[in-house]
Amino acid sequence: GQNIDQPTEMTATEGAIVQINCTYQTSGFNGLFWYQQHAGEAPTFLSYNVLDGLEEKGRFSSFLSRSKGYSYLLLKELQMKDSASYLCAVRARANDYKLSFGAGTTVTVRA
Amino acid sequence: GAGVSQSPSNKVTEKGKDVELRCDPISGHTALYWYRQSLGQGLEFLIYFQGNSAPDKSGLPSDRFSAERTGGSVSTLTIQRTQQEDSAVYLCASSSSPPNDYEQYFGPGTRLTVT
Repeated sequence: GQNIDQPTEMTATEGAIVQINCTYQTSGFNGLFWYQQHAGEAPTFLSYNVLDGLEEKGRFSSFLSRSKGYSYLLLKELQMKDSASYLCAVRARANDYKLSFGAGTTVTVRA
Repeated sequence: GAGVSQSPSNKVTEKGKDVELRCDPISGHTALYWYRQSLGQGLEFLIYFQGNSAPDKSGLPSDRFSAERTGGSVSTLTIQRTQQEDSAVYLCASSSSPPNDYEQYFGPGTRLTVT
């Protein structure tokens, strides 16, 4: 089976930085994904890592260490609109398109 | 362009009734996925279609659940004899062919409540 762990909740101040960690134990690995989901809305794609290292995309960055089964999503210069649930997901095999999701981390940004 | 659409957005049904949930993927997307999201839990994979065939049905929780896809486009998820534990948000997603298949585009979901 697949086991994907991330913290349940995090709170940060507007303008600050927050790092959401995700650890995984899966039967295989072919990519780690981060999605953002605002309350009552569909998840939207943020990032995809398949090789070790840091991928930067504007205020958001995602890091992957395959040997450690570890990823993080870094949100910089937090804005109120960043308050949402952040979902970590793993694809186990190249020809297996389904994603296994963690339970999500709810980030609350306070003024 | 149009995104993934799902209907109905909300469905309340009585225990024991059958329900059908519909998904219209993004035009041209060959892959289609169904997930469900229960309160406080992560998205749970149900079934995956490539074209009209379903190579992976491993996530369907019981034989009360079935899904089909026709014309490589619209998909219907059917739940027979609904139970209260079926209450959840059912999300559909679609993706294009490799090498751009890594991004799944999600619909807004159908919130199913079984009373």
